[in-house]
Amino acid sequence: KAGVTQTPRYLIKTRGQQVTLSCSPISGHRSVSWYQQTPGQGLQFLFEYFSETQRNKGNFPGRFSGRQFSNSRSEMNVSTLELGDSALYLCASSWGTAAEQYFGPGTRLTVT
Amino acid sequence: GESVGLHLPTLSVQEGDNSIINCAYSNSASDYFIWYKQESGKGPQFIIDIRSNMDKRQGQRVTVLLNKTVKHLSLQIAATQPGDSAVYFCAGLSEGSARQLTFGSGTQLTVLP
Repeated sequence: KAGVTQTPRYLIKTRGQQVTLSCSPISGHRSVSWYQQTPGQGLQFLFEYFSETQRNKGNFPGRFSGRQFSNSRSEMNVSTLELGDSALYLCASSWGTAAEQYFGPGTRLTVT
Repeated sequence: GESVGLHLPTLSVQEGDNSIINCAYSNSASDYFIWYKQESGKGPQFIIDIRSNMDKRQGQRVTVLLNKTVKHLSLQIAATQPGDSAVYFCAGLSEGSARQLTFGSGTQLTVLP
């Protein structure tokens, strides 16, 4: 079974721009969660989608948004990029309420 | 809210020895505690989880112990191998309306030859 895939793997953007990251969960998984990982703050929860609905949201500004499609694929968007948005963005999928979330390799975003 | 942390940022062990990685949490809201392993350039990989109503769970070469009295979690790795070198995170998960993983800061495990 294929794992969680994320595209692109690396991205360089300029302050003020916007970016869209994509995540394809494991086949059959309906829950997709997004996390931001930085050296200073560690792994922080952004939001979770289940059956196209945002089920939970972390403490991030409204510039961070996401959506999920009917095939469970998910995208997250960051608008008006700031230098502090430079991070590894990880997506994780799970079947439902199981604790076992499977992570993708992440998208490394660099904002200059 | 939930807060999860780790005791040591780095740990070095000799190949073949057992490793113990510790983690503390601040409140008892989590229904599960999970250990993840993250190798350089990769996303976190699930190792083992334990429900909050258990105190021990064993997997292949790994054991997780949960002490709810002192709010402490540990991961024991038996016969540590070079491939075990990675950053290890503990995380708490609540199944309620605020279902999300709260991660600790991570311990870098280095296995010495």
